[in-house]
Amino acid sequence: GAGVSQSPSNKVTEKGKDVELRCDPISGHTALYWYRQRLGQGLEFLIYFQGNSAPDKSGLPSDRFSAERTGESVSTLTIQRTQQEDSAVYLCASSELTGGGPGNTFGSGTRLTVV
Amino acid sequence: AQSVAQPEDQVNVAEGNPLTVKCTYSVSGNPYLFWYVQYPNRGLQFLLKYITGDNLVKGSYGFEAEFNKSQTSFHLKKPSALVSDSALYFCAVRLPLSGTYKYIFGTGTRLKVLA
Repeated sequence: GAGVSQSPSNKVTEKGKDVELRCDPISGHTALYWYRQRLGQGLEFLIYFQGNSAPDKSGLPSDRFSAERTGESVSTLTIQRTQQEDSAVYLCASSELTGGGPGNTFGSGTRLTVV
Repeated sequence: AQSVAQPEDQVNVAEGNPLTVKCTYSVSGNPYLFWYVQYPNRGLQFLLKYITGDNLVKGSYGFEAEFNKSQTSFHLKKPSALVSDSALYFCAVRLPLSGTYKYIFGTGTRLKVLA
């Protein structure tokens, strides 16, 4: 597609429920990233996929968080047993594996609210 | 540890005055350096990047940044600020390690341009 697409754009969930967030990267972008941005805060790296290599999960805050990616396409970020501190905007980005281009191209994010 | 620092949480500048948003990095090797901007209620957008070559790079909306290897800095500048430049600015590095395309983001600097 023309850009990085994320769905849903907004999600309100009850504490303790599981949520699944989806990211469709730009076609041909081999690398895919998930970040978290709490209100008024900076970007917190969560996980990074590069082709068929093992993902870099070093940023995942707890074992309630997991992510998958199918080949070089769609990725889903799953948060189990959500907590109120999980409330944030979850941003997905994709990137070409070259020196050119704008580095990360970001989606508009999913705003997650845990009540 | 490899890191990116944006020492100022907020920068205030009068419209028409020059602006500088600071960024320093601590990364071994020669990283790629980026600036992104996040306008209110909008996604992150690429502004400019440095990979190699001329230390002064020009980007979108009249912004430029100067790479200083000895000071490990990549400060964002604009000769004459506009009220519409008010936004959250992020500095980022792409790690120079072979085979990885991981990005590290700074914590962000909120720029407020006063009319």
